[in-house]
Amino acid sequence: AQTVTQSQPEMSVQEAETVTLSCTYDTSENNYYLFWYKQPPSRQMILVIRQEAYKQQNATENRFSVNFQKAAKSFSLKISDSQLGDTAMYFCAFKNYGGSQGNLIFGKGTKLSVKP
Amino acid sequence: NAGVTQTPKFQVLKTGQSMTLQCAQDMNHEYMSWYRQDPGMGLRLIHYSVGAGITDQGEVPNGYNVSRSTTEDFPLRLLSAAPSQTSVYFCASRRGTPIDREFFGPGTRLTVL
Repeated sequence: AQTVTQSQPEMSVQEAETVTLSCTYDTSENNYYLFWYKQPPSRQMILVIRQEAYKQQNATENRFSVNFQKAAKSFSLKISDSQLGDTAMYFCAFKNYGGSQGNLIFGKGTKLSVKP
Repeated sequence: NAGVTQTPKFQVLKTGQSMTLQCAQDMNHEYMSWYRQDPGMGLRLIHYSVGAGITDQGEVPNGYNVSRSTTEDFPLRLLSAAPSQTSVYFCASRRGTPIDREFFGPGTRLTVL
């Protein structure tokens, strides 16, 4: 069974600084996706970034980038130039797509606070 | 497109009562799923469906029933609510292949007294 582990329950960062959220996963599959979702106080689940396992290049979306280490099964999220609006819960998620239904499996989340 | 809609947004039940959480999507998505979110636990899959007439259990299915009579709707039924079912419930949908991304509804906060 696949598992996703986020070892940092809470983090804080000063506005305009950079912060990295950690995520590790366990799987024996080769075909999968990894995701970071943001959940602000509004409760809406927002897709931040997605990484295909077969791609060696790390995904980036504006101020958000990932460090994908496939051999180490590590998938960290870096937020540059942190903004007050980045304050939210962040969830790492895994999805296997090779011969399975492709259900999302979530980590327990990291609560990020951006301080002015 | 309204996307994925969930009703109600908030609900309070007494132990033993039954209710149905509604989920609908207007994107003609084949795959739909229900998650519950508890503090410190992330989102856990309750049930999912890969198309009308087809449903299957996720990680935490006990106490919940689902059916999928149409492509658009995927209701979640609590037959006899328990305090342990106090949670926030999310519905999600996507096209049929796992490669496609999920779209989430706004969630329903349920409290069982």
